[in-house]
Amino acid sequence: AAGVIQSPRHLIKEKRETATLKCYPIPRHDTVYWYQQGPGQDPQFLISFYEKMQSDKGSIPDRFSAQQFSDYHSELNMSSLELGDSALYFCASSLGQGTDEKLFFGSGTQLSVL
Amino acid sequence: SQQGEEDPQALSIQEGENATMNCSYKTSINNLQWYRQNSGRGLVHLILIRSNEREKHSGRLRVTLDTSKKSSSLLITASRAADTASYFCATIGSGGYQKVTFGIGTKLQVIP
Repeated sequence: AAGVIQSPRHLIKEKRETATLKCYPIPRHDTVYWYQQGPGQDPQFLISFYEKMQSDKGSIPDRFSAQQFSDYHSELNMSSLELGDSALYFCASSLGQGTDEKLFFGSGTQLSVL
Repeated sequence: SQQGEEDPQALSIQEGENATMNCSYKTSINNLQWYRQNSGRGLVHLILIRSNEREKHSGRLRVTLDTSKKSSSLLITASRAADTASYFCATIGSGGYQKVTFGIGTKLQVIP
């Protein structure tokens, strides 16, 4: 079965550069979530989209923006990168926004800011 | 405030033993979910327990939920080396749809 696809798998950037992370949800899933996980840390919720509209916002810096496109894939755009942005970024998808929905996670994008 | 704080944060046991991980949360919830994460990989959903349920089983997994104490436990019976991973509880708040919030996680090591 198709899973959540994230690209790229690894990304190395310099400080102050920009980065774009992509997420392709499971087919028919209409909700996408973005999480940031630092080394040894729990996943921190950044932002979510339902039916191409932002549905919730967490601890996402103003330097970051995201959107969900008509084909339901999502992109996380990160500008003015800082060393502290180095982390594993996960995308997850679910079908609908019901409170019993379980999340399906991608393998993540490992971002290293040098 | 931190939702879903796991206890202990690290656990090392011998293969065949049972592993118990606990999770506490602060606000009212609709359900609580447990996820597993192998090092550097995505999280995998294990089990969901609704706020009106007290216990749930799935294979070697047993989850309990005590809403009066705002706590949950995950028991893995007859552990295997392949169970070595980090385990997170995640909560979805009550009062309509809300984001899934993860706790710090318990790092389980099962020694062969």
